[in-house]
Amino acid sequence: EAGVTQSPTHLIKTRGQQATLRCSPISGHTSVYWYQQALGLGLQFLLWYDEGEERNRGNFPPRFSGRQFPNYSSELNVNALELEDSALYLCASSLYVGGSSPLHFGNGTRLTVT
Amino acid sequence: TQLLEQSPQFLSIQEGENLTVYCNSSSVFSSLQWYRQEPGEGPVLLVTVVTGGEVKKLKRLTFQFGDARKDSSLHITAAQPGDTGLYLCAGGARGNAGKSTFGDGTTLTVKP
Repeated sequence: EAGVTQSPTHLIKTRGQQATLRCSPISGHTSVYWYQQALGLGLQFLLWYDEGEERNRGNFPPRFSGRQFPNYSSELNVNALELEDSALYLCASSLYVGGSSPLHFGNGTRLTVT
Repeated sequence: TQLLEQSPQFLSIQEGENLTVYCNSSSVFSSLQWYRQEPGEGPVLLVTVVTGGEVKKLKRLTFQFGDARKDSSLHITAAQPGDTGLYLCAGGARGNAGKSTFGDGTTLTVKP
C-alpha cells in the first residue's frame, strides 16, 4: 500500500510570492489534513478536507487556503508569503470515523521563505 | 483552547534504561494518539487509546490513557538506539471534528 505522498519535498520562495503544495492520500482515504510544523512550535492544525469539502480550519489567516479534488488529492496554497511561513508542511490522510481519526502522514514539504 | 503538555521536553538516556513520557491536559479527549517522528520524515502512528484507564502494549512500549481521559503516558522498557526520535501525543475532542491537537513533543535520544 502506497503511503501519503507530498510534493515538492523542498520549496524556496521569496517574501510576497505564492506557494502551492500537493498531497496524495492513501488509496481509500477520503480525508486529508494539513499541518504546519515550524521549528520549536510543534504541529499546528491548518485545514481538514473530507469528500471534497473544507470541514474544519485552524487559526491561520485566509491567505492559507486549499482544496480537495475528486480523486481526494489535495492542494495547499499560501499567498503573500511571509518569512514566518517557513516551516515543514505535513499532509495526512485518514478514513474519517468521527472525532479525531488516527492520521497517516507524508514526509512533508519543507518551505523556505527568504 | 485545548492544550496538550508533554514532559520532559528532552530526554537523553543510555541503551537499556527505562523511561516514561507524559502527556497532560486540563481538557477531556475522546481519543488520544501517540506518534514517533524521525528527522526528515512525517510522524508515524504508534497507538490510539480511547477508553479511560486503557493500557496498550506494543513490544517494549506501554501506553496508558488516564481514567478521566485527560492524560496519557508512554513507558519504554530497555530503550534501544532505534527508539531515538520525537514522540508526539495528539488528542481529539468532541465538538471539533477532524482536528487533532498535538503536544510539543519529547525528543528522546538513546545512546549506545
